[in-house]
Amino acid sequence: KNEVEQSPQNLTAQEGEFITINCSYSVGISALHWLQQHPGGGIVSLFMLSSGKKKHGRLIATINIQEKHSSLHITASHPRDSAVYICAVSPNTDKLIFGTGTRLQVFP
Amino acid sequence: GAGVSQSPRYKVAKRGRDVALRCDSISGHVTLYWYRQTLGQGSEVLTYSQSDAQRDKSGRPSGRFSAERPERSVSTLKIQRTEQGDSAVYLCASTSRGEDTEAFFGQGTRLTVV
Repeated sequence: KNEVEQSPQNLTAQEGEFITINCSYSVGISALHWLQQHPGGGIVSLFMLSSGKKKHGRLIATINIQEKHSSLHITASHPRDSAVYICAVSPNTDKLIFGTGTRLQVFP
Repeated sequence: GAGVSQSPRYKVAKRGRDVALRCDSISGHVTLYWYRQTLGQGSEVLTYSQSDAQRDKSGRPSGRFSAERPERSVSTLKIQRTEQGDSAVYLCASTSRGEDTEAFFGQGTRLTVV
């Protein structure tokens, strides 16, 4: 069993839909990252969380430390949001553990 | 530039040969990570960490994989006796030491073992 689990693995949506991607982890962490990777592109860091909630544009990330769970929400989804979204956790400052990613496709 | 850069962008290697992939991280960043994405199988977890140590093999897969740090902001991932299953995109990321650190990623090196 992976230490970081994401769900769903694949997700399709119509433009405008509200999207949620979930991440559960089994280790104690100091921080959790949400990353975005477009096809053929590099990885971009969207959020880094250690508690609570962060918002950037149409993206919202939340984390519940007690439940070891985080969610990434996309409001009013758009085809350009199509990408792989990766959850990664830092159990300490010398490690970064990645989830297997969620492939999102948003159709017009 | 100010970002993380990797070289080469593309590498083709004959099975059984050793390869070395380079990562130039952000000045001042202490910790470098290597991450692998396996073609056709989606993202594969590769928890490879390196702090100030010159050489660290604490990540997985172990054995044939090792990372060296010839300079503070440079890391070299070495893969010995490459196998076809090593064909993947190898990503490097760096963070500054301390709490609430954000990870910055390179563009990756696509390795093809033939």
